[in-house]
Amino acid sequence: AQKVTQAQTEISVVEKEDVTLDCVYETRDTTYYLFWYKQPPSGELVFLIRRNSFDEQNEISGRYSWNFQKSTSSFNFTITASQVVDSAVYFCALSEADDYKLSFGAGTTVTVRA
Amino acid sequence: DAGVTQSPTHLIKTRGQQVTLRCSPKSGHDTVSWYQQALGQGPQFIFQYYEEEERQRGNFPDRFSGHQFPNYSSELNVNALLLGDSALYLCASSLGGDTAYEQYFGPGTRLTVT
Repeated sequence: AQKVTQAQTEISVVEKEDVTLDCVYETRDTTYYLFWYKQPPSGELVFLIRRNSFDEQNEISGRYSWNFQKSTSSFNFTITASQVVDSAVYFCALSEADDYKLSFGAGTTVTVRA
Repeated sequence: DAGVTQSPTHLIKTRGQQVTLRCSPKSGHDTVSWYQQALGQGPQFIFQYYEEEERQRGNFPDRFSGHQFPNYSSELNVNALLLGDSALYLCASSLGGDTAYEQYFGPGTRLTVT
């Protein structure tokens, strides 16, 4: 069975600080997909990124960056120079190749204070 | 480009009643998934519809049923409502039903059962 663990429940930072969100996953499949979603107070889940299990290249997109390490089953997410608008709940999710559902972690609430 | 839309936004029902939630997928998408998100938790997969059939189901009782129409829109029906059914119900759409594709979420329907 697949499982996603986000050990950090809440993170509070001051604006312009960097924030790193941890995600550890479990799967028996060799082919799987990892995702990060953002859920602002409005409630709508916003897709941020998808990574394939066979592509461990890390990625940077603006102030966001992702660190995928299969050896430790981790897919961490960093927000550089955080802004108040980054305040939200962030979810890591996993999908296996033969499974259509997304399995989500419990989420990490990020609060950025001005 | 219209995103995923859901109706209604909020709903209050009494225990034992039945409810129908509606979802229109993002333009060009043909697959709809439904998730239940209890307060403070990650979304839980209810089921996915593709080509007007339920393709996969999560660990939810038969009181939860759905339908997909030829225009790819979908309904979620919940019978014999329980207090524990109070949650945010999220609809997600994707292309072709391939697990590799990211799912795009709507704003959700907040259901309160009293």
